[in-house]
Order: sequence, then structure tokens, then C-alpha cells
Amino acid sequence: KNEVEQSPQNLTAQEGEFITINCSYSVGISALHWLQQHPGGGIVSLFMLSSGKKKHGRLIATINIQEKHSSLHITASHPRDSAVYICAVRPITSGTYKYIFGTGTRLKVLA
Amino acid sequence: DAGVIQSPRHEVTEMGQEVTLRCKPISGHDYLFWYRQTMMRGLELLIYFNNNVPIDDSGMPEDRFSAKMPNASFSTLKIQPSEPRDSAVYFCASSLNVNTEAFFGQGTRLTVV
Repeated sequence: KNEVEQSPQNLTAQEGEFITINCSYSVGISALHWLQQHPGGGIVSLFMLSSGKKKHGRLIATINIQEKHSSLHITASHPRDSAVYICAVRPITSGTYKYIFGTGTRLKVLA
Repeated sequence: DAGVIQSPRHEVTEMGQEVTLRCKPISGHDYLFWYRQTMMRGLELLIYFNNNVPIDDSGMPEDRFSAKMPNASFSTLKIQPSEPRDSAVYFCASSLNVNTEAFFGQGTRLTVV
């Protein structure tokens, strides 16, 4: 079993839909990142979380440390949101700045 | 700032050749990371530096891989000799400190034939 699991693996949505991508992990963590990888390959860091909730534009990220779970929400989705979304966690015991990555959720938003 | 700059963007080389990937981090960032991404294994951290000093190189696959950071504005990842299984996209990223987000370069797509 992977230490970081994302669901769903693939997601197709219609423009305007509300989207949720989930990340569950099995280790204690000190931080969690959500990354976005565009079809061209570039990677952008969306959020870094250690507790609670963060919002940036149409994106909202939440984390529940006790339940070892994080969600990334996209409101009013748009075709330009089509990308792979990757969850990464920094184990609390790692002692270093070393992240474990999920395998990603491939999102396609149709016009 | 232009962001994290990697070169080359694409590299095709023959097995056995030496390959050098280059990275210029964002000015003022104390941390620099080298990642590798493959279809099979996803993103993996190879090594990271803090203030030009290598901190954790446990992700470096084997002795054929080496990384240096001679100054705060430049790092290299070298593979010698290269093998077909090294084919991947290599990303460099930098961050201000451990509690801030990382900024990624555009990556170098390496193909070893």
C-alpha cells in the first residue's frame, strides 16, 4: 500500500462543475503540498498546508491531521484547470525536507 | 525574478555518455531540490541543498549520479555514464525555507538511447 493515496486517479468534468480531489496518507506529517502539473509538464505549487484550510481564487485546500486526509476543491471549473494534481506529504519523522508523492489525479474539464 | 531556470529543456544522448543538467534557483532561496519524474515511479526527490550544502542525497539512485552547488545561484546534476533507464524528466526546484512553497523549473526531458 502506498503511503500517499489519491482519488480519483482520473476525473472528467464539465465546465462549471465543483471538483474534489482527495489525498489520504498513512504517516504522521509536518506539511502537505498540492501541486499542479500542466499538460506541457511544468509544475506549480498550489498550496502548502499543515492545518486547517487555505483558499486561492477558485481553489480551496483543506487538511484534517487527525484523519490523515486532505482535499483539493475547484469551484466553477474551467478547461484551463485540466492538469494532473499531485499531493505530497513531508513525514514528521523524516528529519529532512523530504516529501512522499502521490501518483496524481488527472483532471480533464470539458467546455 | 524569472523563476527557476533549467537547461537544457531537452537532452538526447547515447548510452555511456556523460550528461550534465543545470539549474539556476530563484535569487534569495536557501533550498534547492533535484527531482526525477518517470511514468513508473512518479516524482522522486534525488537530493536537496541548504545554503549550497547537500543535506539529503539518499534519493540519488547510484554512484553514477552526482550533484553540486558551487554557489547560491547555480547547481548541476551529472550522470556519468548514462543508461537508458535514466530517461526521465528532471526537475529543479527552490524555496525560501522549509516552511514555504517550492518553485519548480520547467524540467529537463532526458532521453538516453
